Amino acid sequence: KNEVEQSPQNLTAQEGEFITINCSYSVGISALHWLQQHPGGGIVSLFMLSSGKKKHGRLIATINIQEKHSSLHITASHPRDSAVYICAVKKGGSEKLVFGKGTKLTVNP
Amino acid sequence: ETGVTQSPTHLIKTRGQQVTLRCSSQSGHNTVSWYQQALGQGPQFIFQYYREEENGRGNFPPRFSGLQFPNYSSELNVNALELDDSALYLCASSLRRTGEDTQYFGPGTRLTVL
Repeated sequence: KNEVEQSPQNLTAQEGEFITINCSYSVGISALHWLQQHPGGGIVSLFMLSSGKKKHGRLIATINIQEKHSSLHITASHPRDSAVYICAVKKGGSEKLVFGKGTKLTVNP
Repeated sequence: ETGVTQSPTHLIKTRGQQVTLRCSSQSGHNTVSWYQQALGQGPQFIFQYYREEENGRGNFPPRFSGLQFPNYSSELNVNALELDDSALYLCASSLRRTGEDTQYFGPGTRLTVL
């Protein structure tokens, strides 16, 4: 079993819908990252969380340390949000980031 | 724009050859991490350099090696290339600071081994 699991693997939505992507992890962490990867490979860091909730524009990320679970929400989704969203955790006491396999989001107009 | 650049963008090599990939960190960043991303998979941590010293390594064989230079640019070297080394190689720079280590990723180098 992977240390970081994401669900769903693929997600198709209509423009305007509310999107939720989930991430569960099985190790102790010092931080959790949400990343966005567009076709062609470029990765953008969206959030780094160690507790609570963060919001940036239409994106909201939450983390529950006790439950070892994080969610990424996108409100009023738009076709330009189409990308792969990746959850990555920084294991406690390590410099290593462990990545989930990603969730491929397609938002149709 | 993240400010992290990588070169080359694409590269084709044959089995047994050696390759050097380069990364220029965002200005002021003292830490660089390298990742390998196979098609359809999440990135895998190769190693990290902090102030020119290796500071953590993933499950990659010794033929994967790196350098970080005084200007904090970095190289990833892979010797004796194998077909399974075909992947997107990403570098990410960060400024190590308590409570803040957001990594800024470069666009990646896509390596194909034939």
